[in-house]
Amino acid sequence: GQNIDQPTEMTATEGAIVQINCTYQTSGFNGLFWYQQHAGEAPTFLSYNVLDGLEEKGRFSSFLSRSKGYSYLLLKELQMKDSASYLCAVNRYGQNFVFGPGTRLSVLP
Amino acid sequence: DSGVTQTPKHLITATGQRVTLRCSPRSGDLSVYWYQQSLDQGLQFLIQYYNGEERAKGNILERFSAQQFPDLHSELNLSSLELGDSALYFCASSPGESTEQETQYFGPGTRLLVL
Repeated sequence: GQNIDQPTEMTATEGAIVQINCTYQTSGFNGLFWYQQHAGEAPTFLSYNVLDGLEEKGRFSSFLSRSKGYSYLLLKELQMKDSASYLCAVNRYGQNFVFGPGTRLSVLP
Repeated sequence: DSGVTQTPKHLITATGQRVTLRCSPRSGDLSVYWYQQSLDQGLQFLIQYYNGEERAKGNILERFSAQQFPDLHSELNLSSLELGDSALYFCASSPGESTEQETQYFGPGTRLLVL
């Protein structure tokens, strides 16, 4: 199947840390991407994981567990500009991207 | 700026009409992807072209068609438009043939409103 699950909405405070989870069906898995999308704008690439473990990129980190079909995006030192939707996308062998429904993050002052 | 361009930015039309959306990929990218994003849905993959050839098809309606030209720009044609076709249409590009381990770069989108 193609199901990818993410929480619909999350709220956090400026300066805090937030973790956005993504679960997916593991068959044919060949990589997972995280994208950020501000309302009405294009998705922009954040991170890519294909092996288990944590990938760190400044304030953003992404973790993958292939056996569990699980990933998370960790955002540290939250800023108001981080208010956006965060899309998890799974790549499968011989198929195209399937995007999750996205998690709308609101950062409050 | 991703380097992917799309025109027009906004399009308002009536039911039953036909429109064409245009996309120019990043310089050097051979693959172009089309996505539809409605208010209540996530990004839905429509179709991919690689170097002029159709590479993969997703949830694309028969009323919709696309092509990629020798200069690698692509057009998405939407016909017999219905109210439910109102959405943001994104084009993305990547260097190679497959999305496997390739990042896609998205254009700014075309917002289509069908009245």
